[in-house]
Amino acid sequence: KNEVEQSPQNLTAQEGEFITINCSYSVGISALHWLQQHPGGGIVSLFMLSSGKKKHGRLIATINIQEKHSSLHITASHPRDSAVYICAVTKYNNNDMRFGAGTRLTVKP
Amino acid sequence: NAGVTQTPKFQVLKTGQSMTLQCAQDMNHEYMSWYRQDPGMGLRLIHYSVGAGITDQGEVPNGYNVSRSTTEDFPLRLLSAAPSQTSVYFCASSPDRGSVNEQFFGPGTRLTVL
Repeated sequence: KNEVEQSPQNLTAQEGEFITINCSYSVGISALHWLQQHPGGGIVSLFMLSSGKKKHGRLIATINIQEKHSSLHITASHPRDSAVYICAVTKYNNNDMRFGAGTRLTVKP
Repeated sequence: NAGVTQTPKFQVLKTGQSMTLQCAQDMNHEYMSWYRQDPGMGLRLIHYSVGAGITDQGEVPNGYNVSRSTTEDFPLRLLSAAPSQTSVYFCASSPDRGSVNEQFFGPGTRLTVL
C-alpha cells in the first residue's frame, strides 16, 4: 500500500465549479505539500502545511493531523486550472519525501 | 535568478552507458534532491543533500550516485544505464530545514535507455 494516497485519480469539472482533491497518508510527517504539474511537465509548489489551513487566491489547502488527511480545494474553477495536482509528505524527523500518484484535473469551459 | 536549471532536457542512452545529469541552483539553497517520475507511480526520491559535502539516499537510490561539492551544484550519475531507468528526472531545491520548506523544481530531463 502506498504511503500517500490521492483521490480521485481523474476529475473533470465545468468552469466555475468547486473542486476538492483528497490526500491520505499513513506515516508520521513533518510537513505536507501540494504541487501542481502543468501539461508541459513543469512542477510548482502550491502549499506547504504542517497544521490548519492555508489560502492563496482561489486555492485552499487544509490538513487534519489526527486523521492523516489533507484536502485541496479550488473555488470558481477555470480551464487554466487544468493540471495534475500532487500531494507529498516529508516524513517525520528526516528529509525523506513520499508522493501521491497525482490527480489529473480537467476544467471544461 | 535562473532558479533551478537542469541539463540536458532530453537524452537517449544505450544499455550500459554512463552519464551525468546536471542540476544547478542560484538561490543559495541548502537542500537539493533528485526525483524520478514514472507513469502511474508519482515522483520518487532518489538521493538528497542537506548541504555541501552531505548526501543521503532516498526511496530508490540503486544505480545512481550523487555528490555535492558546492552549494550550487548537485549532479546525478547513472553508472551503467538500464532500460528500467527510462524516466523523467526532476531536480529540486529548498532553503534550510530541507524538504519541510517549499520545493523549487527544475524543468526535468527526459531519459530513454534503449
